[in-house]
Amino acid sequence: GEDVEQSLFLSVREGDSSVINCTYTDSSSTYLYWYKQEPGAGLQLLTYIFSNMDMKQDQRLTVLLNKKDKHLSLRIADTQTGDSAIYFCAETPSGKLIFGQGTTLQVKP
Amino acid sequence: DTEVTQTPKHLVMGMTNKKSLKCEQHMGHRAMYWYKQKAKKPPELMFVYSYEKLSINESVPSRFSPECPNSSLLNLHLHALQPEDSALYLCASSQVTEGQGAGEQFFGPGTRLTVL
Repeated sequence: GEDVEQSLFLSVREGDSSVINCTYTDSSSTYLYWYKQEPGAGLQLLTYIFSNMDMKQDQRLTVLLNKKDKHLSLRIADTQTGDSAIYFCAETPSGKLIFGQGTTLQVKP
Repeated sequence: DTEVTQTPKHLVMGMTNKKSLKCEQHMGHRAMYWYKQKAKKPPELMFVYSYEKLSINESVPSRFSPECPNSSLLNLHLHALQPEDSALYLCASSQVTEGQGAGEQFFGPGTRLTVL
C-alpha cells in the first residue's frame, strides 16, 4: 500500500541541527523526495535520494535512507530562521507523488 | 526560466459562478499536474497531463474540468463549486511522468480559492 508518515511538529533553536523523520510503506519506490513549503507558497524540491543509496549530502542537507526499515530522514545543519517551513517527504511508487502529512519546523532565535 | 506561474493568486466565487484557473511553464516539461491543498494538509493529486493528454483523473468531481491547450499551458475550469472546495490549488510540472523525473516537480505558488 501507499502510506507515508511523518511527525507533525519540530522546534529547534537557531544554529542547532534539525532532524525530520519519515517512514514509508511501498518498497517499490525507486526515489524518495524531500519538499519544502514556506507560508503562502508552493512546494519546492529540496533533494531526493535513489533507493540504492544510504546517504546523500547537499550543503547543509543530509538525507539518510534505511531501506530495510523503510525509514528516511532529513538533517539540516546549522538551522536558520529561514528554514522555518513545512517539510514533506514523498515517494513515487506508481509515478504519482505520495506525500507524508508534513512536519512543521519552527526555528527559534 | 524555472518558474511555474499561476493566475489569479486569489479567487472568490459564488456557487453558481464559472471561473478558470491558469498555469503556465516554459521549461519544456511534458507533464503537468493539478493538486488541491487544504490547510495543514499535504497536496492531493487531482489530474495529470502527459504530452497534453489527460493521463490521470483521481476521481475528481465533474465540477472541476481540466484543459491542456498546449504543452506550456494548463487550465482548471470551475463550475457550481461547493464551499468545501475552498482550498489552495497548486499547479506543477515535470519533465516526464516516469522514473525519477516524475517526482522532480516544479510547483507554482498556487491560487487561493474561496467558495461562498
